[in-house]
Amino acid sequence: EADIYQTPRYLVIGTGKKITLECSQTMGHDKMYWYQQDPGMELHLIHYSYGVNSTEKGDLSSESTVSRIRTEHFPLTLESARPSHTSQYLCASSEAGYEQYFGPGTRLTVT
Amino acid sequence: GQQLNQSPQSMFIQEGEDVSMNCTSSSIFNTWLWYKQDPGEGPVLLIALYKAGELTSNGRLTAQFGITRKDSFLNISASIPSDVGIYFCAGQPQGAQKLVFGQGTRLTINP
Repeated sequence: EADIYQTPRYLVIGTGKKITLECSQTMGHDKMYWYQQDPGMELHLIHYSYGVNSTEKGDLSSESTVSRIRTEHFPLTLESARPSHTSQYLCASSEAGYEQYFGPGTRLTVT
Repeated sequence: GQQLNQSPQSMFIQEGEDVSMNCTSSSIFNTWLWYKQDPGEGPVLLIALYKAGELTSNGRLTAQFGITRKDSFLNISASIPSDVGIYFCAGQPQGAQKLVFGQGTRLTINP
């Protein structure tokens, strides 16, 4: 089982601010993912990475960007937050197979 | 894109009852996963299935990979209050690298 961490857990921020959501895993997994989830709803893949310097957009269009400079770190950035970005953001990682292990999530509220 | 139909959307049961939920797809999947999500937390992997017909248990939970490879089932026996939460199925479609998630089944238990 992966140890995967997300910070902050909760963030309330004003419109127009730049934010970075942090995600780190300690298992050396090559694959990492970001999902967006409205409360109680299904998960939508917004970004994924299969290794260092590799990032791809997911199935749901997002104004956020990601980077993968180190294996263990996969931060997500919003250059200018808007109320429509209010959601829960979940980070996950996996090894060679398809079992993804999730972090606790960041609940973002943009006012 | 690929879609999973998860049912039921919600269940209200008495403590001690057994629970069944399922996911179906119109296309073939190579992997089925079942997750549980508590409020404000990330999904936790319960069971992973990799072969058609496979039946796997994890304590009171049992999941099956359908013979047609287009569906999967999760059963919970003798439910207890801590089973409350949202259960998600996820699958890896044949020929795809990414997971597809179901819409979730919200389980509520009356003591």
